[in-house]
Amino acid sequence: KQEVTQIPAALSVPEGENLVLNCSFTDSAIYNLQWFRQDPGKGLTSLLLIQSSQREQTSGRLNASLDKSSGRSTLYIAASQPGDSATYLCAVSGAAGNKLTFGGGTRVLVKP
Amino acid sequence: DAGVIQSPRHEVTEMGQEVTLRCKPISGHNSLFWYRQTMMRGLELLIYFNNNVPIDDSGMPEDRFSAKMPNASFSTLKIQPSEPRDSAVYFCASSPQGRGFRYEQYFGPGTRLTVT
Repeated sequence: KQEVTQIPAALSVPEGENLVLNCSFTDSAIYNLQWFRQDPGKGLTSLLLIQSSQREQTSGRLNASLDKSSGRSTLYIAASQPGDSATYLCAVSGAAGNKLTFGGGTRVLVKP
Repeated sequence: DAGVIQSPRHEVTEMGQEVTLRCKPISGHNSLFWYRQTMMRGLELLIYFNNNVPIDDSGMPEDRFSAKMPNASFSTLKIQPSEPRDSAVYFCASSPQGRGFRYEQYFGPGTRLTVT
């Protein structure tokens, strides 16, 4: 059974500092990995999707890497801003079109 | 594109009542997923459909929960009878399938259910 872990559960940084969020999964046989952002009381917004054959994906200040063999992904957010404060969730899919297994999330606070 | 639409956004009901949650997936998406989010258990898949057919319902907690997808543009999740432990946020997500797609899932805003 796939298990996804995100450490730390919470993170507080001053504005301008780079953020590094970690995600690990136990079964390396994944189809893809998605990073989501969730604001309090809101739904999930997809940030990046990495296919199992890819090593990284970039979008603006966000960069996500994937090391499938070691079961790890890292989300980097450059030059953090107070607006980046949210909970970040990673999730993996075991097969095309299949369900996502979520980590517990990392709650991020960027202090002005 | 309107995105995934869920209704109602908030539902407060008494224990024992029937609750029906509704979802309209993004047009053209042929996979639909129901997830539940609680503080204790995080986000968990309840059931998902491909081309309106239920594929995996192993996450449905018990017989009180049922889900249907009568057509490609509508799905319901029903709880009967509801219990306080069903209080959670229920999310619907949809995904396009087929060659050339990345199978990215798009989530609705969720329905916050409170059972008193």
